[in-house]
Amino acid sequence: KNEVEQSPQNLTAQEGEFITINCSYSVGISALHWLQQHPGGGIVSLFMLSSGKKKHGRLIATINIQEKHSSLHITASHPRDSAVYICAANYGGSQGNLIFGKGTKLSVKP
Amino acid sequence: EADIYQTPRYLVIGTGKKITLECSQTMGHDKMYWYQQDPGMELHLIHYSYGVNSTEKGDLSSESTVSRIRTEHFPLTLESARPSHTSQYLCASSEQWTGAVSYEQYFGPGTRLTVT
Repeated sequence: KNEVEQSPQNLTAQEGEFITINCSYSVGISALHWLQQHPGGGIVSLFMLSSGKKKHGRLIATINIQEKHSSLHITASHPRDSAVYICAANYGGSQGNLIFGKGTKLSVKP
Repeated sequence: EADIYQTPRYLVIGTGKKITLECSQTMGHDKMYWYQQDPGMELHLIHYSYGVNSTEKGDLSSESTVSRIRTEHFPLTLESARPSHTSQYLCASSEQWTGAVSYEQYFGPGTRLTVT
């Protein structure tokens, strides 16, 4: 069964801390997505990657194909980073549909 | 910037009513999706479409139905709302999946539905 597992489920950090959220998946993905969902419910796509590393501002996403693992890092965290971060995978047989992880709820305290 | 809209944003309605949740996108995307998300839970795909006149059921069984008469418009209908339908419904769109390339999905702001 194609699955996406995220950890931790909940994460509390102090402003300025370096944050890592982990995601593991099964074989056969064509791409791995990181999404951000704010308390209002809207979802924004942060990264889509199939190899290596991508960086946007203070956010960095990496993927290790051999280990079937991806990480999302936030440097110099800020209270406005508080949100749910969701890992999702495109599997080869899923017609481009995404399989979602349960999300990591991040709270950054000032 | 992504332009995908959902209306209404919030809806409180009584049991047995027929409701239609609207979703429109101006990006010309062929593929569109409807997701259901209960509070604190993961997203579940309930319907998707490859283009005009295409509708497919997703991973989660749903009593809702969808239609795709125009590329930009993908409404979701519940013929008779029940309290178990209370949830958040999110619409999304993307470029057409070709089997070789994956595409980013763009999400609407969601409709929070409460059935009393």
